[in-house]
Amino acid sequence: GAVVSQHPSWVICKSGTSVKIECRSLDFQATTMFWYRQFPKQSLMLMATSNEGSKATYEQGVEKDKFLINHASLTLSTLTVTSAHPEDSSFYICSADEHSNQPQHFGDGTRLSIL
Amino acid sequence: AQTVTQSQPEMSVQEAETVTLSCTYDTSENNYYLFWYKQPPSRQMILVIRQEAYKQQNATENRFSVNFQKAAKSFSLKISDSQLGDTAMYFCAFMKSTGANSKLTFGKGITLSVRP
Repeated sequence: GAVVSQHPSWVICKSGTSVKIECRSLDFQATTMFWYRQFPKQSLMLMATSNEGSKATYEQGVEKDKFLINHASLTLSTLTVTSAHPEDSSFYICSADEHSNQPQHFGDGTRLSIL
Repeated sequence: AQTVTQSQPEMSVQEAETVTLSCTYDTSENNYYLFWYKQPPSRQMILVIRQEAYKQQNATENRFSVNFQKAAKSFSLKISDSQLGDTAMYFCAFMKSTGANSKLTFGKGITLSVRP
């Protein structure tokens, strides 16, 4: 089955640093990838939709300069949290679209803790 | 815009019993997909079941089945013979069927606990 690999699974860093999270589709090409944020015991909140070779589409209220998304190839999208602060601590999950109208394949998520 | 409502935050069920999780949604679309996802403590998102709106027959996957009522915009999940491994958060989700960049709209989720 289709596999999405997300790395790292857990990262702890100091306030003010930038953190990059990778999302890779291992055995399929993903024209579209999605980035979500999830707080404990809450639902997934879509942050942005990423298309290969074009700028990401951000949801309302998501700072594009804070959360930089790059989708340089059909198998890789990255989310960079710039100048991270404790309030950015959360669980970030990516998903990838193999075919339109098919269920998205989810990565295992990244737990980000900013000290 | 689409909305998905899961009004029950928590439920508990005895092992081997049956439990039904409720979900309603609102949309002006005629063609769409509905999903139930399971998120265990590991936080991995696992697809449980999927329903195409144009199909009248309710989807089933082993112990999991749905009651899809299109006119009422209701999409409940029934778990039969509950197992301890079913303990997880469950999310109902909606996806438009047309166009690229088909986004998922999730409900708030329900925490299901299966008691031994």
